Amino acid sequence: QSALTQPRSVSGSPGQSVTISCTGTSSDVGGYNYVSWYQQHPGKAPKLIIYDVSKWPSGVPDRFSGSKSGNTASLTISGLQAEDEADYYCCSYAGRYTWVFGGGTKLTVL
Amino acid sequence: EVQLLESGGDLEQPGGSLRLSCVASGFTFTNYVMSWVRQAPGEGLEWVSTISGSGGATYYADSVKGRFTISRDNSKNTLYLQMNSLRAEDTAIYYCAREYSSSSGGKTHDYWGQGTLVIVSS
Repeated sequence: QSALTQPRSVSGSPGQSVTISCTGTSSDVGGYNYVSWYQQHPGKAPKLIIYDVSKWPSGVPDRFSGSKSGNTASLTISGLQAEDEADYYCCSYAGRYTWVFGGGTKLTVL
Repeated sequence: EVQLLESGGDLEQPGGSLRLSCVASGFTFTNYVMSWVRQAPGEGLEWVSTISGSGGATYYADSVKGRFTISRDNSKNTLYLQMNSLRAEDTAIYYCAREYSSSSGGKTHDYWGQGTLVIVSS
């Protein structure tokens, strides 16, 4: 149950695109297409923005997109906006009803 | 509207016990697997435990196995986490989350409560 690996921080200017990686193993990210991404603003609960690697929950703009290659999943945010500044967490199903999260990435909008 | 409301967080001494509750509304509670996820101050998210819709199957992270017990009362739409032998490293915000399973076989945690703070300190 080791945490997935994410960069500690990323940054971008308004209108630009940024990509956050999430690296696991063949027992989690690589083994299942059940990778989710959550956005968390300070003092708030996590909000689901991507699930099943690349699907959008209702109400989430398509500026957020997800993908996966091998043991690494990625979240891309295009057309950066000030309100996108937040912490982002990946999460993967790890089999036998267990889950593993990434350490989180702080996105700064310059 | 789906709502999850946690309670029960408090300051507790090492070795002590607490019981967290999560009251659910806006969906058919018994149809959903539920989980607890925690977040230590300034840290990332950590999956703690999951329980099936009937309550008959439970799963735990290694860090809490043997100390924490997840349960549910479907007649009260309430999820519980009994926390025993508490340690300083259990200090965290504890969130309850609904597990969504799509018709195509997908899985995620789609709704989260606002969390309840547990502090373990002498």
